[in-house]
Amino acid sequence: GQQLNQSPQSMFIQEGEDVSMNCTSSSIFNTWLWYKQDPGEGPVLLIALYKAGELTSNGRLTAQFGITRKDSFLNISASIPSDVGIYFCAGHGDDMRFGAGTRLTVKP
Amino acid sequence: GAVVSQHPSWVICKSGTSVKIECRSLDFQATTMFWYRQFPKQSLMLMATSNEGSKATYEQGVEKDKFLINHASLTLSTLTVTSAHPEDSSFYICSAARGYEQYFGPGTRLTVT
Repeated sequence: GQQLNQSPQSMFIQEGEDVSMNCTSSSIFNTWLWYKQDPGEGPVLLIALYKAGELTSNGRLTAQFGITRKDSFLNISASIPSDVGIYFCAGHGDDMRFGAGTRLTVKP
Repeated sequence: GAVVSQHPSWVICKSGTSVKIECRSLDFQATTMFWYRQFPKQSLMLMATSNEGSKATYEQGVEKDKFLINHASLTLSTLTVTSAHPEDSSFYICSAARGYEQYFGPGTRLTVT
């Protein structure tokens, strides 16, 4: 089946720093989604991407749908403590697949 | 828009009993809902896809007789964990599909003693 590789697994950064994480796949996806999950809660949709090459922003978050349709990245600029959480990518091809998540820790 | 609720948010039950978890899409209709299980510090594991008016599709390794799914309306899907055992303790999350996007509920923490 279609598998997603998400990296890095975890990140420890200082408040104010920029963050970048990405997902890659050996298969083509039609849609890429990025979610954030806080402890003990369900994931919340941050950004949805529908076209190859699409670059979309949501506040300090920017995500891109790779030209090859096999990858996507998420950037967070000027991180703040409330950015802490687990970020999941998800790709929709034959079905929806999730990355393993990137655990972000922001030190004040 | 796109709000999904789950009830209960947490439940503790005794081994051998059954537990029902409800998932509702509050402001949109969802032909398809999904049930996930999540272990600590791990990603979401899809258990089954719930389609309104038809039988659920279960992922490989998920026992359909143990995890009963009913999607009786366009806004409600239920997951019943039958004869629960301690190894069923986990965080169960549902999602509702709107187009290619999935919107998640807040999750249900199940503890079986």
